[in-house]
Order: sequence, then C-alpha cells, then structure tokens
Amino acid sequence: EIVLTQSPGTLSLSPGERATLSCRASQRVGSSSLAWYQQKPGQVPRLLIYGASTRATGIPDRFSGGGSGTDFTLTISRLEPEDFAVYYCQQYGSSHLTFGGGTKVEIK
Amino acid sequence: EVQLLESGGGLVQPGGSLRLSCAASGFTFSNYAMTWVRQAPGKGLEWVSTISGSGDSTYYADSVKGRFTISRDNSRTTLYLQMNSLRVEDTALYFCTHSGNYFLNWGQGSLVTVSS
Repeated sequence: EIVLTQSPGTLSLSPGERATLSCRASQRVGSSSLAWYQQKPGQVPRLLIYGASTRATGIPDRFSGGGSGTDFTLTISRLEPEDFAVYYCQQYGSSHLTFGGGTKVEIK
Repeated sequence: EVQLLESGGGLVQPGGSLRLSCAASGFTFSNYAMTWVRQAPGKGLEWVSTISGSGDSTYYADSVKGRFTISRDNSRTTLYLQMNSLRVEDTALYFCTHSGNYFLNWGQGSLVTVSS
C-alpha cells in the first residue's frame, strides 16, 4: 500500500497569500497518478487536480499541481476567501487507492 | 448530468450487517468502474473498495477485506456495498463515486453508525 503523507497539517495564511501544500508518497506513484481535492465543512470533496498537474473542469488557474515520483505539491497562487478548506491528495497508481491525511488551510 | 444517490445507511450494533446502495444516472454505468469512499466523523477520506465496469474485478482496503463485499447490477445501474461484521470503527459517511481512479462525481453520502 502506498502511504501518502501531507504536510503541513494546518496552514495559517491570509487572503492574497500563496499556499504550498505537500504530499509525499512512501513509494513511487506511477504515471503521476495523483489527484487533489478540496473539501469544505458539510460538503462533498471537489476534484481540483488529476494527473498531478491537470486542472479539472471549472477549477480556477490560481490552483496548480506539480511533482512526480514521490513528491507532489498543490499551490494556490493567491488565496481567495472561498479557498479556506481542507485539501486531500489521492493516488491511483495502484489498485489499492489511498488518500493523504489532509491539510487544513485556515485564515490567519 | 451524473447523479449518484446512496441509501441504506443507519444505526447498527457491532457485529451486525447493512447493505448500501448507490443509484447512478447520467452516464453509461457499465462502462465505468465504481468506488466507495468513507469518511469517519471529523476525519479524513478513506478508500474502501472499487469494482470494475463488468463487475469481474474487485479491490478492497485491508481494513474491510473479508467483511465487506462490493457488487453492481448494470441492468439497474446500481452499486452495492454489503457490510458484515461491522465494527465501531466502521462508523462513517459512505460516499459512492464515479470511476476507479480519480473522482469527479460524488454522491451526498449515506451515514453508517455502529454502536451498541
């Protein structure tokens, strides 16, 4: 099983600042098969990024994904008020899918 | 428009059983793998199980293997999760999701509470 470790656990930032979230895999994630989701309280997860760097339909370009192998990042270039939420990475490079533990982006 | 509607959740005692259903519409159901993901109260997302479009291949998280069974009825465009020998730690909101890799479409979830 590929274990995904997200850091930091909590990120305290102000609107307009840049957020960089990390997702590290315990072994190589094949074909950059990594996705990122945003989840707000009481809502279902929303797909942001798949294939490590491809934005899902309708996702603003302030969200970008990068990385390969075992190290991946989600960057939010300028935080908008609606971006404060929990973010999860997920790998689908193996038949046993796994999620990271999440990073909460909170208002400083 | 893809729609996924879960049902079948509820309160069950430890050791009991429940069957969740997910009625799907808006896409060619048999062409896609389907997945169950769960989220314990206040916790993160956990992959539970995936089934191929034909139903021939199934995959399970170690935490549920041997207790849960995923299945599908392509004629009814419905996904199922049979949950046996339920434990307190299975308490969660269970989401039905479209596909077997990354998840664009999610149901609203069905709450399963395991408690005596």
